[in-house]
Amino acid sequence: LAKTTQPISMDSYEGQEVNITCSHNNIATNDYITWYQQFPSQGPRFIIQGYKTKVTNEVASLFIPADRKSSTLSLPRVSLSDTAVYYCLVGSNRDDKIIFGKGTRLHILP
Amino acid sequence: GAVVSQHPSWVICKSGTSVKIECRSLDFQATTMFWYRQFPKQSLMLMATSNEGSKATYEQGVEKDKFLINHASLTLSTLTVTSAHPEDSSFYICSARDAAGVSYEQYFGPGTRLTVT
Repeated sequence: LAKTTQPISMDSYEGQEVNITCSHNNIATNDYITWYQQFPSQGPRFIIQGYKTKVTNEVASLFIPADRKSSTLSLPRVSLSDTAVYYCLVGSNRDDKIIFGKGTRLHILP
Repeated sequence: GAVVSQHPSWVICKSGTSVKIECRSLDFQATTMFWYRQFPKQSLMLMATSNEGSKATYEQGVEKDKFLINHASLTLSTLTVTSAHPEDSSFYICSARDAAGVSYEQYFGPGTRLTVT
């Protein structure tokens, strides 16, 4: 299972674009990169998943360089409600278990 | 989209009693379900992997006789905390993988807050 490294915490302001980078140097060929968001006392919520290059959905973009050893979650124009913990996970459906890293605690200020 | 439910959402029990938490996949079949525990301001800690029709695989340090897991059907897994103690108070979260899924994604339940008094 690839280990991931993320910043422990980040602060930003409403209306700004926030980029959270995750390092996964040992990513395997079959591995996908998935990001989850978690609010206090709730289960994690899927944000976005990608394998390479760029993926965009209605809430975020995911940028993955050619070597796939890192990825960047981009949240456009954040609001106070984006204050949460964001987890980057790397793995494939062949993995028999999924391990969470420490995540990034994002705090949006008014 | 795929939905996972947990019941109850919160429970308070006395020390020494047992508590059962249910995890259901509502609109898909899950051959594999995971149980996590999360303490305040910490990440999710994997407790065990539950496979339908077979024994659960527990992570190191998790007592299998204390945390009983049953995955009797493709849509239901249960976690029973036996002889609960205050230190078992935590937020328990389950997740499920779609048996027909091809990508690496798991669907999480809303969590169950257990308080042992």
